[in-house]
Amino acid sequence: KNEVEQSPQNLTAQEGEFITINCSYSVGISALHWLQQHPGGGIVSLFMLSSGKKKHGRLIATINIQEKHSSLHITASHPRDSAVYICAVNREYGNKLVFGAGTILRVKS
Amino acid sequence: ETGVTQSPTHLIKTRGQQVTLRCSSQSGHNTVSWYQQALGQGPQFIFQYYREEENGRGNFPPRFSGLQFPNYSSELNVNALELDDSALYLCASSSLRGPRWGYTFGSGTRLTVV
Repeated sequence: KNEVEQSPQNLTAQEGEFITINCSYSVGISALHWLQQHPGGGIVSLFMLSSGKKKHGRLIATINIQEKHSSLHITASHPRDSAVYICAVNREYGNKLVFGAGTILRVKS
Repeated sequence: ETGVTQSPTHLIKTRGQQVTLRCSSQSGHNTVSWYQQALGQGPQFIFQYYREEENGRGNFPPRFSGLQFPNYSSELNVNALELDDSALYLCASSSLRGPRWGYTFGSGTRLTVV
């Protein structure tokens, strides 16, 4: 079983819809990251969380440390949001990121 | 504030050859981590360099090696290339003071081994 699991694997939405991507992890962590990867391959860091909730524009990320679960929400989705969204965690001890497999999001106009 | 630059962006090599990939570090960061991302999968940790020394390694064979330079830039070297080494190679710079400082990723080098 992977240490970081994401769901869904694929998601297709209509422009304007509210989108939720989920991430569960099975190890103790010091931080959780939400990342965005476009078809060219480059990764952009969206959020780094260790507790609570963060908001940036139309993106909201939450984390529940007790339940070992995080969600990424996109409000009023737009075709330019189409990308792969990846959840990654820093283990509580250690110095590497452990990545989920990613969620492929396609927003149709 | 500079970002992380990786070079080259694309590369085609023949099985058995050797390859060197390069990564700059964002200003203020002292640590570089390398990841391999096969098609359709999440990135896998190769190794991390801090102050010119390896500071953690994933499940990759010794033919994957690296260097970090005094300016914190880094190289990934792969010897005796195999077809399965075809992947996107990503580097990320950070500060070893902790993950709260975040990571900056490069755009990756896409390596194809034929």
